[in-house]
Amino acid sequence: DQQVKQNSPSLSVQEGRISILNCDYTNSMFDYFLWYKKYPAEGPTFLISISSIKDKNEDGRFTVFLNKSAKHLSLHIVPSQPGDSAVYFCAARRANNDMRFGAGTRLTVKP
Amino acid sequence: NAGVTQTPKFQVLKTGQSMTLQCAQDMNHNSMYWYRQDPGMGLRLIYYSASEGTTDKGEVPNGYNVSRLNKREFSLRLESAAPSQTSVYFCASNSYRVNTEAFFGQGTRLTVV
Repeated sequence: DQQVKQNSPSLSVQEGRISILNCDYTNSMFDYFLWYKKYPAEGPTFLISISSIKDKNEDGRFTVFLNKSAKHLSLHIVPSQPGDSAVYFCAARRANNDMRFGAGTRLTVKP
Repeated sequence: NAGVTQTPKFQVLKTGQSMTLQCAQDMNHNSMYWYRQDPGMGLRLIYYSASEGTTDKGEVPNGYNVSRLNKREFSLRLESAAPSQTSVYFCASNSYRVNTEAFFGQGTRLTVV
């Protein structure tokens, strides 16, 4: 069963606008959440994370929001740049280090 | 900085053949993982090793075995390869019970014909 879900396979935004990527999870035992970015023929690279004790974490143009009651997190990219075009994966980890990923969202930022 | 190293990068197997995918990390991480990436399915956890000496099944363990050889190395074995195991395999590592990110290798593209 897919415990981490990214229901939007793709997203297209204009350069300079906001990109919002969404992720839902079902297992309440997850206590740490991460976003990864992936380019073709490369391994995923870490982008930003958030602990379950927080509801927001910001790093430059990237902000992750966590809504524990809704079991939902989102990644905001402002402003979006063409170099942000990639596949974004949401991940969730339990205390025993079991770490699950979503199906990914392909972001395209158009110049 | 090597990070996480996977070998081989590419492999073609015939149905029924066996092979072992190798993974090594030089970051002194306790935990290591094997994932497979398939179109539309994202990254699915095959097995993980939370710490040296332990291994646990993930979402899709059938058809695979793993060995945590030592703290640095975590191998994935396909005993009798099937076309359904055609995929890109990623190894990752991180610190146990520490809120830090996992680092990934470059992947192994496996085709079973």
